Amino acid sequence: EIVMTQSPATLSVSPGERATLSCRASQSVSSNLAWYQQKPGQAPRLLIYGASTRATGIPARFSGSGSGTEFTLTISSLQSEDFAVYYCQQYNNWPPWTFGQGTKMEIK
Amino acid sequence: QVQLVESGGGVVQPGGSLRLSCAASGFTFSNYGMHWVRQAPGKGLEWVAFIWHDGSNQYYADSVKGRFTISRDNSKNTLYLQMSSLSAEDTAVYSCAKGRDTMTYWGQGTLVTVSS
Repeated sequence: EIVMTQSPATLSVSPGERATLSCRASQSVSSNLAWYQQKPGQAPRLLIYGASTRATGIPARFSGSGSGTEFTLTISSLQSEDFAVYYCQQYNNWPPWTFGQGTKMEIK
Repeated sequence: QVQLVESGGGVVQPGGSLRLSCAASGFTFSNYGMHWVRQAPGKGLEWVAFIWHDGSNQYYADSVKGRFTISRDNSKNTLYLQMSSLSAEDTAVYSCAKGRDTMTYWGQGTLVTVSS
């Protein structure tokens, strides 16, 4: 099973600032990596797939990068609606499909 | 638009059983694999089970293997999760999600509470 590890657990950022979230895989997942956003009381929403491709309707301020075992989600200028929990998920070796433990983005 | 609506959650005693349903609309259900994913209170996402678009193959997390069964009825556009031998560790919001590699759309989920 591939273990996904996200850092940091919590990220405090001011609106308008840039945020960088990290995700590490226990073995290579090539570019088969997705990012999801989850707001309190809501279902997760797919942001990024293929490590760097934005899903339909996702604003350009969200970008993903990386391959192999190291991945990054960058939000270029945080908006109030971006404060949420973010999860990475690998789909290179399944089953199981595995998620990171999440990074909570909070307002500084 | 894609809609996934889960139902069937509730309070069940340890050792009990429950069947969850996920009603799908807004897309051709029979063309897509489907997942169940759960989230324990205050915790992260945990993949539970996946079924191919035609129901020909199913996969399970080790934590539920032998106790849960995923199935689907493409004529009713509905996904199911039959859960048995439930324990407190199964308490979570259970959500269905569309897709195979990535989970492109998710339902809001249904809460399952295992408690005496």
